[in-house]
Amino acid sequence: GNSVTQMEGPVTLSEEAFLTINCTYTATGYPSLFWYVQYPGEGLQLLLKATKADDKGSNKGFEATYRKETTSFHLEKGSVQVSDSAVYFCALSYNSGNTPLVFGKGTRLSVIA
Amino acid sequence: DGGITQSPKYLFRKEGQNVTLSCEQNLNHDAMYWYRQDPGQGLRLIYYSQIVNDFQKGDIAEGYSVSREKKESFPLTVTSAQKNPTAFYLCASSIALRNLDGYTFGSGTRLTVV
Repeated sequence: GNSVTQMEGPVTLSEEAFLTINCTYTATGYPSLFWYVQYPGEGLQLLLKATKADDKGSNKGFEATYRKETTSFHLEKGSVQVSDSAVYFCALSYNSGNTPLVFGKGTRLSVIA
Repeated sequence: DGGITQSPKYLFRKEGQNVTLSCEQNLNHDAMYWYRQDPGQGLRLIYYSQIVNDFQKGDIAEGYSVSREKKESFPLTVTSAQKNPTAFYLCASSIALRNLDGYTFGSGTRLTVV
């Protein structure tokens, strides 16, 4: 079946450090891929998405590239801020059948000043 | 502004009681979902609905029930059969079950059994 695997957290970085959160997926065909962010005590917000191979999603300084050859969608940011502290979820939407979004388990990021 | 509203934000339940969590959306979305979130477990799907008067069980439906009588509303009842109901509950909606825009989430209800 379809699945998403994220690197386990928590990830702790100093302000202005480079961020990578790894995400790999298992799916037949060509799913759409998403990153969501959850700030403390809130619901999830869509951060970025990519719908086909080699697409790059970007938003708020975050980027992720849909790599079909490595079945990956790693999240990156060149310089993190304290306000980026949150839980990040990778997700995939299978483009056929009737299956809801599949989420990874989430990676908690803490950025310290 | 369109959005999805969950209420209440915090809810306390005595053991053996049923409790209903509200979820309302004004986005004109056909599909709605309920997830449970526990520390270290990520999101687990409880129930989802593609259209009014239709819903399907997710991965952890036991001890929960839902209804979808109106497009805008998808309430979740946590029954006394749910053995460990303390958790953070998230409702979401989307244009359709399969779509390229992802889901819109509510801000969640934290349920605590006392």
